[in-house]
Amino acid sequence: NAGVTQTPKFQVLKTGQSMTLQCAQDMNHNSMYWYRQDPGMGLRLIYYSASEGTTDKGEVPNGYNVSRLNKREFSLRLESAAPSQTSVYFCASSEIGGEYFGPGTRLTVT
Amino acid sequence: QQPVQSPQAVILREGEDAVINCSSSKALYSVHWYRQKHGEAPVFLMILLKGGEQKGHEKISASFNEKKQQSSLYLTASQLSYSGTYFCGTETPGNTGKLIFGQGTTLQVKP
Repeated sequence: NAGVTQTPKFQVLKTGQSMTLQCAQDMNHNSMYWYRQDPGMGLRLIYYSASEGTTDKGEVPNGYNVSRLNKREFSLRLESAAPSQTSVYFCASSEIGGEYFGPGTRLTVT
Repeated sequence: QQPVQSPQAVILREGEDAVINCSSSKALYSVHWYRQKHGEAPVFLMILLKGGEQKGHEKISASFNEKKQQSSLYLTASQLSYSGTYFCGTETPGNTGKLIFGQGTTLQVKP
């Protein structure tokens, strides 16, 4: 089992460019999440999906969109990247109990 | 509202004990604890549910005081591998499934 996988691992964007971060899990979990982590800020929830076909906003959804493509996959899209979106992005999944995190995507917006 | 963790940082020698606290201004449904090593993803340690049920690892324990809206993580006889940043994540009734994380407590265990 790979657990939670994320692509890409690193990305550099110019202001205004768009990109999609991909996430997949093979644990048959219903719930999936996108977080961003900034130094000294802990983890902040961007969007989450309680089940296939549903999504809901978290603490910091502005500037992002998500798609729950199927039970396994949950993608995060930045339509017009801004320097304030420079961060480490983590995807996670859960069933009943704790959340399991992917390795993260380190995104820099210049 | 983000839960508040204390202390912000702690340095221990191997074999010493530590307590990390997590305090919320809202009533809680559950508290999760995670550990993150530098450059890695957070790793789930345990969950404490309203009503007292506890899950998690044997060597690290935690308590949940629902009335005080607080949780504490206890690390006894610390090992070098305990080093990292510890985060609590809280769920509130009506927002189950959404975790709000504290700012983290950095723990360093020295030989």
